[in-house]
Amino acid sequence: EVQLVESGGGLVKPGESLRLSCVVSGFSFSSNGMNWVRQTPGKGLEWVSSISASSYNVHYADSVRGRFTISRDNDKNSLFLHMSDLRAEDSGIYYCATSPFDLVVVPAPIDYWGLGVLVSVSS
Amino acid sequence: DIQMTQSPSSLSASVGDRVTITCRASQDIRSDLGWYQRKPGQAPRRLIFSAFNLHNGVPSRFSGSGFGTDFTLTISSLQTEDFATYFCLQHNTYPVTFGQGTEVQVK
Repeated sequence: EVQLVESGGGLVKPGESLRLSCVVSGFSFSSNGMNWVRQTPGKGLEWVSSISASSYNVHYADSVRGRFTISRDNDKNSLFLHMSDLRAEDSGIYYCATSPFDLVVVPAPIDYWGLGVLVSVSS
Repeated sequence: DIQMTQSPSSLSASVGDRVTITCRASQDIRSDLGWYQRKPGQAPRRLIFSAFNLHNGVPSRFSGSGFGTDFTLTISSLQTEDFATYFCLQHNTYPVTFGQGTEVQVK
């Protein structure tokens, strides 16, 4: 059974940083692309970022490019999202999600999702 | 960005009903579309991949169809456990984009 467990969410002030983590089990983590998706009150479901198996290819939504950094540790089956210069509109539930194969230039499908972690940005 | 227009935004149905939800892409996405189910307190669950392929373990009452810009998710005979929110996702081009979601409610 594929399981994804996100952690690291919380309440922060505008301009502050936060690092989300996701540990994956029951899945060939090191061979597949990974993704972050968020659900925000303003935009509904929004894709945030994707990373290839080797970390060579990374992609970001325009709304987070330059502020968020996706990374992974294949030895620990872990995915990360470092978020800096956080804004109120970044508030929402952040989901870690797997892809069934690696991604290169074009996106890979998204299959399994975690329960999500809440990020709140407020002064 | 590819816009995904999903309809209806909500519907009311009874157990046993046939339910149809549609997603329209603003440009050709071939068959690069998935359908998902989401319930409160649970992780979103993929139902259909590549427009019409059933994900492992998903009941056969769920089916998908379409190619290019117009796609449909059909539940042939609605069950109690199917009352949930459904959304589509296109992965043809970055950024990956989503339909707005359809809430299937008890009539």
